[in-house]
Amino acid sequence: GEQVEQLPSILRVQERSSASINCTYENSASNYFPWYKQEPGENPKLIIDIRSNMERKQIQGLIVLLDKKAKRFSLHITDTQPADSAMYFCAASTGYQNFYFGKGTSLTVIP
Amino acid sequence: GPKVLQIPSHQIIDMGQMVTLNCDPVSNHLYFYWYKQILGQQMEFLVNFYNGKVMEKSKLFKDQFSVERPDGSYFTLKIQPTALEDSAVYFCASSSGDISYEQYFGPGTRLTVL
Repeated sequence: GEQVEQLPSILRVQERSSASINCTYENSASNYFPWYKQEPGENPKLIIDIRSNMERKQIQGLIVLLDKKAKRFSLHITDTQPADSAMYFCAASTGYQNFYFGKGTSLTVIP
Repeated sequence: GPKVLQIPSHQIIDMGQMVTLNCDPVSNHLYFYWYKQILGQQMEFLVNFYNGKVMEKSKLFKDQFSVERPDGSYFTLKIQPTALEDSAVYFCASSSGDISYEQYFGPGTRLTVL
């Protein structure tokens, strides 16, 4: 099956700085890369996604980059706030097949 | 936005018993999934289901596991018999089958096997 590596596992940043999370995947047929935010005791919620026909996507302070040659994608949170503190999971998928998730990044934004 | 519901939110059972986890997916969705998350770890794919059939399952989907969605009712995950290592949070997800691949996740069922 697909392996998705996600780093770092723990990330602490100062408020208003940026935070970056990196993921790599194995299956070159992967074409959909969502990012989910999960708060303690809650279900994962999609925050941004990117498809393989794009290299960059931005929604407000969230930027995702995709490098298909390197099989690498990343999430960048600009101007972080304490409310951004949560677990973040990347995933790779070939469409309607299952998502292969990374192991998650615990982000803490320090006021 | 669209909501996936899961019943129950918590379930405690003795090892060897049967358990059924229920998922009420988004109403017009066609693809259904179960994931398993052990505390503090990533979600791991168990199975996906489309058009009344299992499309793909992982090695975590043991022979003791089964899924069904009789007549458009709940999408269920049954474990019979349960084992200690089945203790986890089980998330159901659904997606629409249109050009959006987004999977909507339910709130999870926390299963504790004693």
